[in-house]
Amino acid sequence: RKEVEQDPGPFNVPEGATVAFNCTYSNSASQSFFWYRQDCRKEPKLLMSVYSSGNEDGRFTAQLNRASQYISLLIRDSKLSDSATYLCVVMARNEKLTFGTGTRLTIIP
Amino acid sequence: EAGVAQSPRYKIIEKRQSVAFWCNPISGHATLYWYQQILGQGPKLLIQFQNNGVVDDSQLPKDRFSAERLKGVDSTLKIQPAKLEDSAVYLCASSLSLTSGYYEQYFGPGTRLTVT
Repeated sequence: RKEVEQDPGPFNVPEGATVAFNCTYSNSASQSFFWYRQDCRKEPKLLMSVYSSGNEDGRFTAQLNRASQYISLLIRDSKLSDSATYLCVVMARNEKLTFGTGTRLTIIP
Repeated sequence: EAGVAQSPRYKIIEKRQSVAFWCNPISGHATLYWYQQILGQGPKLLIQFQNNGVVDDSQLPKDRFSAERLKGVDSTLKIQPAKLEDSAVYLCASSLSLTSGYYEQYFGPGTRLTVT
C-alpha cells in the first residue's frame, strides 16, 4: 500500500461548482498534514495545513479524519484559476514529507 | 524576501554523463531538501539536511547520487553516471528548522533534467 494515496483524476469541473478531493495515508503515526498546489511546470506551493478540528480559508476547507486515516479538501465556488494539481502531503515525526501523486483539477468555463 | 534559488533551470545530457545541480535556500532556513519529481508523480524526497548534517537520505540512490551542504547554506546534488530513468525535475526546498515548529517548505523552481 502506498504511503499516501490520491485519485489522480483528472477532475473536470464547471466554474462555480464545488469539488472535493480525498487522500488516504498508511502511517498512523503521521504528525501533520498539508495540501500543496502545483501549477503546470511550476514548483509546489503550500495551499493550507490541515488541523484535527478542520480548517477553512476562504473557499477552501480541509478536514482530517485520524481514525480513518484520510484527509479531504473541499473547494467551493470554483474559479478558472483553481485549475492545478493538488498534492496531499503527510509529515512524519522527523519532519519528512511524503507527497501523494496529486489530483489534477481543470475548471471549465 | 528572496526565494529558493536553483540552477541550472534545464539540463540535457547523455546517459553515463555526470551532472550537478545547485541550490541556495532562503536566508536563515536551516533545513534543506532535495526532491525528484518524475512526470505525473508527486515529489519524492532524496535527501534532507539540517544545517550541514544529513537527517534522511534513505531514498537517495547512493551508487550514483551524492549531495553535500558543506557550510550549511547552499547545496549541490550530483548524479554520476546518469541513467535514462533519472530524467525528472529536481526540486530543492527549504524550511526554517526541524525544531522551529514551522513546517512550511518553500520550493525552488526546479531543474528539469533530460537524459538521452
